[in-house]
Amino acid sequence: NAGVTQTPKFQVLKTGQSMTLQCAQDMNHEYMSWYRQDPGMGLRLIHYSVGAGITDQGEVPNGYNVSRSTTEDFPLRLLSAAPSQTSVYFCASSPGANNQPQHFGDGTRLSIL
Amino acid sequence: AQRVTQPEKLLSVFKGAPVELKCNYSYSGSPELFWYVQYSRQRLQLLLRHISRESIKGFTADLNKGETSFHLKKPFAQEEDSAMYYCALSGLSGNTPLVFGKGTRLSVIA
Repeated sequence: NAGVTQTPKFQVLKTGQSMTLQCAQDMNHEYMSWYRQDPGMGLRLIHYSVGAGITDQGEVPNGYNVSRSTTEDFPLRLLSAAPSQTSVYFCASSPGANNQPQHFGDGTRLSIL
Repeated sequence: AQRVTQPEKLLSVFKGAPVELKCNYSYSGSPELFWYVQYSRQRLQLLLRHISRESIKGFTADLNKGETSFHLKKPFAQEEDSAMYYCALSGLSGNTPLVFGKGTRLSVIA
């Protein structure tokens, strides 16, 4: 099992560009989520999904879209990148509810110029 | 609303000294609490959860509902314990999103 796979690992964008961060898991986990990690701010929840076809907003959803068409994939879209979205993004999954231990990907380091 | 507070951004201790990383929470329901750790250049991973009541790598944490705390403790710090530690909170029902504190960086000095 690869676990949770995030691509790309690094990306540099210009302000206004769009981009999709990919997240895939091969553990048949129902719950998936996206966090951003910023210095001094910890991990903040962007969006999460409790199953295919179901998504919900977290603490900092503005500027990001998600969809969950399959159990395996949970892509995060930036429609018009802004410098404030420069961060490290982590995807996580768990087998059931939100209170189960989360499996994290390696992260995507995103810089917006 | 649920909230997790880790009051220390950085904690430095000498090797062999006791360690206590503080975590306080605010939640109206029955909490499910976790400690996650991120070693240098590694992905975030679960260290322990309160419902398991187990000791991992010598670390323990006890849920104190009266003080709404879930402090992480280890009697004798090791250099390999140096890492970023995050306290996280969800609800026992499983419907509440997992929310993290801002993290504490532990530095163990030889």
